[in-house]
Amino acid sequence: QSVLTQPPSASGTPGQRVTISCSGSSSNIGSNTVNWYQQLPGTAPKLLIYSNNQRPSGVPDRFSGSKSGTSASLAISGLQSEDEADYYCAAWDDSLNGPLFGGGTKLTVL
Amino acid sequence: EVQLVESGGGLVQPGGSLRLSCAASGFTFSSYSMNWVRQAPGKGLEWVSYISSSSSTIYYADSVKGRFTISRDNAKNSLYLQMNSLRAEDTAVYYCARGRKNYYMDVWGKGTTVTVSS
Repeated sequence: QSVLTQPPSASGTPGQRVTISCSGSSSNIGSNTVNWYQQLPGTAPKLLIYSNNQRPSGVPDRFSGSKSGTSASLAISGLQSEDEADYYCAAWDDSLNGPLFGGGTKLTVL
Repeated sequence: EVQLVESGGGLVQPGGSLRLSCAASGFTFSSYSMNWVRQAPGKGLEWVSYISSSSSTIYYADSVKGRFTISRDNAKNSLYLQMNSLRAEDTAVYYCARGRKNYYMDVWGKGTTVTVSS
């Protein structure tokens, strides 16, 4: 069964740097690019990072993505209260023949 | 403004059917692939189905294969999801999302809620 594994929660104080990991396998992250989505409370998901490390227009450069082998990570520097949200990694899965989402990480700004 | 607006959600009994629609505006709909993604209450995101710009390629998640049908009408700038044999576990907010190369989704609608319950 194809799975992208994320920690269920993460936290940090304002100004801190936080990283969220995403672990997959050769059928997804190992052979395809990784995307990250931010979902603020009560709203629809928003594309945050695409193609491993690209930011869409309007996304602050405080957000960055990286990928190595079958794992990826999202880093948020200069943490702000408005960053409190759920974050999802995603990658195409060759076995599923569709995009696979991680379980999501709830980020709390203390 | 680039926009996606879903409609058609509601309360339906187990075994029933529902057709969701997604109206696109602000971009050339016929040039983009589209997806349906759902989110059960309190749960994470689950991809449901993908359709290419010309409808030539269609994929479904195993959880909905054989029960759901994705389609599009490029002349009407609209995406559809026909859902049959609905189950309680299909209860979720259903989002339509624009697809890009490498299969990321760069524009999302606000979602429509489907509740399957007797």
